[in-house]
Amino acid sequence: EPEVTQTPSHQVTQMGQEVILRCVPISNHLYFYWYRQILGQKVEFLVSFYNNEISEKSEIFDDQFSVERPDGSNFTLKIRSTKLEDSAMYFCASSGTGQEKLFFGSGTQLSVL
Amino acid sequence: GENVEQHPSTLSVQEGDSAVIKCTYSDSASNYFPWYKQELGKRPQLIIDIRSNVGEKKDQRIAVTLNKTAKHFSLHITETQPEDSAVYFCAASWGYSGGGADGLTFGKGTHLIIQP
Repeated sequence: EPEVTQTPSHQVTQMGQEVILRCVPISNHLYFYWYRQILGQKVEFLVSFYNNEISEKSEIFDDQFSVERPDGSNFTLKIRSTKLEDSAMYFCASSGTGQEKLFFGSGTQLSVL
Repeated sequence: GENVEQHPSTLSVQEGDSAVIKCTYSDSASNYFPWYKQELGKRPQLIIDIRSNVGEKKDQRIAVTLNKTAKHFSLHITETQPEDSAVYFCAASWGYSGGGADGLTFGKGTHLIIQP
């Protein structure tokens, strides 16, 4: 069964550093997303991406965040200057068209020290 | 924006009994309501979903009901088994799959504990 894959599985960084989280969505999917989950809390929507542009973003997705689809397979989330409160599990997700369901990747655990 | 409330936060049931988790949502435009199961340290996995043109959907031991008038939906698990122990999240969106112009809004989760 096709899966959304994410790398790395764990990322440790110093406060103020830039990080890039990488995702390979399911190959025939057209909608891409980033969600995050702070330990013990609910999953929170960050951003959706379709047709090479952001469709929607939440209040969490401020100017420090950006997304990119640099080629036909990768989908990245960049945090320019990380803060302690950015520490969380970041999930990439993708869905196809119409009534397709949302599939999550296995996540990247980001720790900001 | 959408707000999803989920209750209870923790639910403990005896193996073999039924479990019910309830969610309410605020945005009457929402039309897609999935349920995700998340085991410790793992990704959320879709277990069942329902769209607003349907009142109930069942898949083996799992069922979901939707009351659009009251803006609430529920997950029902019958004949619970130890492997049902996990955190369950409800979510709501106006897109078919959480796509288009709005992502999924999740509830805070219910930790389901199946007692042997």
